[in-house]
Amino acid sequence: DAGVIQSPRHEVTEMGQEVTLRCKPISGHDYLFWYRQTMMRGLELLIYFNNNVPIDDSGMPEDRFSAKMPNASFSTLKIQPSEPRDSAVYFCASSSGSLPQETQYFGPGTRLLVL
Amino acid sequence: SQKIEQNSEALNIQEGKTATLTCNYTNYSPAYLQWYRQDPGRGPVFLLLIRENEKEKRKERLKVTFDTTLKQSLFHITASQPADSATYLCALDGMDTGRRALTFGSGTRLQVQP
Repeated sequence: DAGVIQSPRHEVTEMGQEVTLRCKPISGHDYLFWYRQTMMRGLELLIYFNNNVPIDDSGMPEDRFSAKMPNASFSTLKIQPSEPRDSAVYFCASSSGSLPQETQYFGPGTRLLVL
Repeated sequence: SQKIEQNSEALNIQEGKTATLTCNYTNYSPAYLQWYRQDPGRGPVFLLLIRENEKEKRKERLKVTFDTTLKQSLFHITASQPADSATYLCALDGMDTGRRALTFGSGTRLQVQP
């Protein structure tokens, strides 16, 4: 299996622009998670899906952030408009099993820089 | 409020020694505790999971203990090697908080000197 796939790996954009991050989970996994990692705040859970349905989005910072999972093999995290404080590494992870606390498999991350 | 604490100071040890990393938590009663390894520029990689009714778990040179009374987990790497140098994250489930997903500590960086 190729593991969790994320694109792009690096993104540099200007403040105010729309940013779309993409994730392909491991085939057969029921859960998909979006995280953000910064030096100051560590690894923070933004939102997670179970069987393509958003379950908990309480970590989404504000309305500028949105996430979708149109099917079992694809998810997007969108930031519109982007701000410099959104600069971070964004990880997607997936897991299988009956609980969201099960072992998670992370993608390589997207390093976002907003100028 | 819930808090997970890992030593933010890097741990430097000599090759061949045992590395011990600590994860303390407050206001949680996790059913699971997991340890992940993260190398620079990469995503975290799962290492071990221990359940609340297990005191100790081993995998090759790795050992994890889980003391629900002390609210602490210890992560040991025996016969450490320079290749073990990385940041190690502990993660707890939040079932008792109603948030049924993992919450990660900030991680401890381990540096093994040859």
